Amino acid sequence: DVKVTQSSRYLVKRTGEKVFLECVQDMDHENMFWYRQDPGLGLRLIYFSYDVKMKEKGDIPEGYSVSREKKERFSLILESASTNQTSMYLCASSYGGEKLFFGSGTQLSVL
Amino acid sequence: GESVGLHLPTLSVQEGDNSIINCAYSNSASDYFIWYKQESGKGPQFIIDIRSNMDKRQGQRVTVLLNKTVKHLSLQIAATQPGDSAVYFCAEIGNAGNMLTFGGGTRLMVKP
Repeated sequence: DVKVTQSSRYLVKRTGEKVFLECVQDMDHENMFWYRQDPGLGLRLIYFSYDVKMKEKGDIPEGYSVSREKKERFSLILESASTNQTSMYLCASSYGGEKLFFGSGTQLSVL
Repeated sequence: GESVGLHLPTLSVQEGDNSIINCAYSNSASDYFIWYKQESGKGPQFIIDIRSNMDKRQGQRVTVLLNKTVKHLSLQIAATQPGDSAVYFCAEIGNAGNMLTFGGGTRLMVKP
């Protein structure tokens, strides 16, 4: 089975802190994605990557950056966390961009 | 604009009954559809998918129906069990690219 592992289930950070969310997949998938999930707003795409060192903006990239130095790892970076970035963050991977496999999510609280 | 939506935000069913979760989409060129299940505190889990050249696809206790004429997608769960309680999302890929567009989700509650 495909496994997508997010390093933290819960994180609490302070406003202005730099935050790293890590994601690793074990199926040699080309594509990796970061979404945030908020009540009433559903899943919104932040960034995605089709290959190592490659990144594309999704629908809501402002305030975020990403890093893909290795094929299996895709990191989401909040350069200066703000309270409106409190959310559930979901990482996903896929081979062809259709059937996404999701991690368990990281619930981030920014105080 | 292009959108994927759900008719009912919450669906409550009796254990053992069949459940039907509906989804409407607006992009007539969409050619791939997928259903996810998300249990509390977990990430979305793939249930079943269907391509636009099909009208129906069956899995274990689940069936997806696609009506392209009215742009409607449904997920049927047979003999609903307490473990089926979750939020269900539909998603689609249209001809604008190969990115999934997700609907808002329907919460399924199974009464014992």
